[in-house]
Amino acid sequence: NAGVTQTPKFQVLKTGQSMTLQCAQDMNHEYMSWYRQDPGMGLRLIHYSVGAGITDQGEVPNGYNVSRSTTEDFPLRLLSAAPSQTSVYFCASSLTSGGYLEQFFGPGTRLTVL
Amino acid sequence: EDQVTQSPEALRLQEGESSSLNCSYTVSGLRGLFWYRQDPGKGPEFLFTLYSAGEEKEKERLKATLTKKESFLHITAPKPEDSATYLCAGSLIQGAQKLVFGQGTRLTINP
Repeated sequence: NAGVTQTPKFQVLKTGQSMTLQCAQDMNHEYMSWYRQDPGMGLRLIHYSVGAGITDQGEVPNGYNVSRSTTEDFPLRLLSAAPSQTSVYFCASSLTSGGYLEQFFGPGTRLTVL
Repeated sequence: EDQVTQSPEALRLQEGESSSLNCSYTVSGLRGLFWYRQDPGKGPEFLFTLYSAGEEKEKERLKATLTKKESFLHITAPKPEDSATYLCAGSLIQGAQKLVFGQGTRLTINP
């Protein structure tokens, strides 16, 4: 199993550009989520999904869109990048959405918006 | 407000010098308390889940404990390879699972 994979590893955007961060897992996990990690702020939940076709907002959803058409994939879209979105983005997955099981994290995407 | 606070922010120890990291939480309806290890440039790596007060779990030189208000990560006779940032997170249910993370403790073990 590859676990949770994320692409790209690094990305530089200009303000106003759009892009999609890819996330995939091969563990047949029901629950997937996106976090951003900023210095001094800890990890914050952006969006999450409890299964294919079902998504919901987390703590900091503004400026981001998600969709989940398959169990394996959970892409995060930045519609119009802003410097405030400069961060490290982590995708995570868990077998179920019940809250008792650990989440497995991907290696992260480091995004810089100029 | 659901909150997780870790202390200290940074800790520097000599190899073999035991210590503890603290994680205090105010998470209503806590489903689980998770500890993760994060190395520079990597994603968090799962260490432990604790579900109820009084529970303890061990892995090599690490032992995690849980009370009704806080969790401790005890590190016994640490080695330089234990250097990392340790993250604590509370799991709550608001429709579905959400993790509330602390800011982490950056641990450095000097040889």
